[in-house]
Amino acid sequence: QVQLVQSEAEVKKPGASVKVSCKASGYRFTSYGITWVRQEPGQGLEWMGWISTYNGNTKYAPKLQGRVAMTADTSTSTAYMELRSLRSDDTGVYFCAREDDVTTEIDFWGQGTLVTVSS
Amino acid sequence: NFILTQPPSVSESPGKTVTIACTGSSGSIASNFVHWYQQRPGSAPTIVIYGDNRRPSGVPDRFSGSIDSSANSASLTISGLKTEDEGDYYCQSYGDRNVVFGGGTRLTVL
Repeated sequence: QVQLVQSEAEVKKPGASVKVSCKASGYRFTSYGITWVRQEPGQGLEWMGWISTYNGNTKYAPKLQGRVAMTADTSTSTAYMELRSLRSDDTGVYFCAREDDVTTEIDFWGQGTLVTVSS
Repeated sequence: NFILTQPPSVSESPGKTVTIACTGSSGSIASNFVHWYQQRPGSAPTIVIYGDNRRPSGVPDRFSGSIDSSANSASLTISGLKTEDEGDYYCQSYGDRNVVFGGGTRLTVL
């Protein structure tokens, strides 16, 4: 069965970086893109960006451009999201999810990784 | 910027039917697929409708989706409400070639 397993919770200081991993299994990794979505405490879903696991192409949300980087390691079927220059309002749960490149739905989600930014 | 607007909350009694609207700010909502997700507290979202009106396997046929092009909106309808349907519901589509989520609607079944 399709699974996306994310790395454990992180606590970071303002100005630091965080890198969240997302290991996929149960399907051909390069057949679907990986989308990253975050959710601040008590708030809605915010799209962060997307990476093509086929060729490494990326799209990032304009508000995160310059601070976020998404990569994918096809040898281990693992996607990564790195967010730099962390601020307190980056605190939240970060989800990776599988996106169908043709029909665009996000059909399987990771369990989420809590990132806390605090001095 | 393309925005999808949802009502913040809806409530209805068990056994009844509820409809959640998702209105696009510009353009034609019918130009791209609309998908719907359910999120229960403390859990990741799960897809309940994809491609405007298709149900993934395992989602009860009490869930249905539709598009109203004249109103530039999509709707999620849940019939025969059960207490287990409580949670937050998000619509999702594309705008400016990027994924856009609606703000979410909290469904209370009481």
